[in-house]
Amino acid sequence: SAVISQKPSRDICQRGTSLTIQCQVDSQVTMMFWYRQQPGQSLTLIATANQGSEATYESGFVIDKFPISRPNLTFSTLTVSNMSPEDSSIYLCSVEGAGGPLGGQHFGDGTRLSIL
Amino acid sequence: GESVGLHLPTLSVQEGDNSIINCAYSNSASDYFIWYKQESGKGPQFIIDIRSNMDKRQGQRVTVLLNKTVKHLSLQIAATQPGDSAVYFCAENRVTSGTYKYIFGTGTRLKVLA
Repeated sequence: SAVISQKPSRDICQRGTSLTIQCQVDSQVTMMFWYRQQPGQSLTLIATANQGSEATYESGFVIDKFPISRPNLTFSTLTVSNMSPEDSSIYLCSVEGAGGPLGGQHFGDGTRLSIL
Repeated sequence: GESVGLHLPTLSVQEGDNSIINCAYSNSASDYFIWYKQESGKGPQFIIDIRSNMDKRQGQRVTVLLNKTVKHLSLQIAATQPGDSAVYFCAENRVTSGTYKYIFGTGTRLKVLA
């Protein structure tokens, strides 16, 4: 299965600042996903990032707040912009499994973000 | 709106007993379901999956049951061990506009008692 590395693993940031989270995969994948997991809660999909096209955002998430890059088949970034304490969360990157839509996903260990 | 949800937020089980974690989904068009295990400080880890043309699938110590009539999914863990303590999520594959995404349930924390 794919190995996913996220950087940073955690950070503490000041409100109003922005942070870019990196997601590196050890193999080429078409579909990558970014999720948010608020403390004690489930995963909420932020957007789907396909190489060569604009990211597709879920309801409640906008590109100005969460710009995403997908420059190649092994890398993606998610930026959390103009952060507020409500953005304190775990941000998770995942990639599709070998079976595509019927192959599940592989996750990184996430970025734990705290905003003061 | 449509959702995937769980009945029990916390489940405490004696070591050696069997565990059953339940999940309800609302999208009858979903054709693929997955159970994930998330340990503290880690990302979700794939446990087992099932396609909608099946009603049961077994893995090592785990079994997933799918009841499409009542839109219910369950994960059974046999002989629960301390290492099974984690949060478990079901996820539903939803195809939309030529692509797909996974919708996660609310999660159940499994506590294994020694």
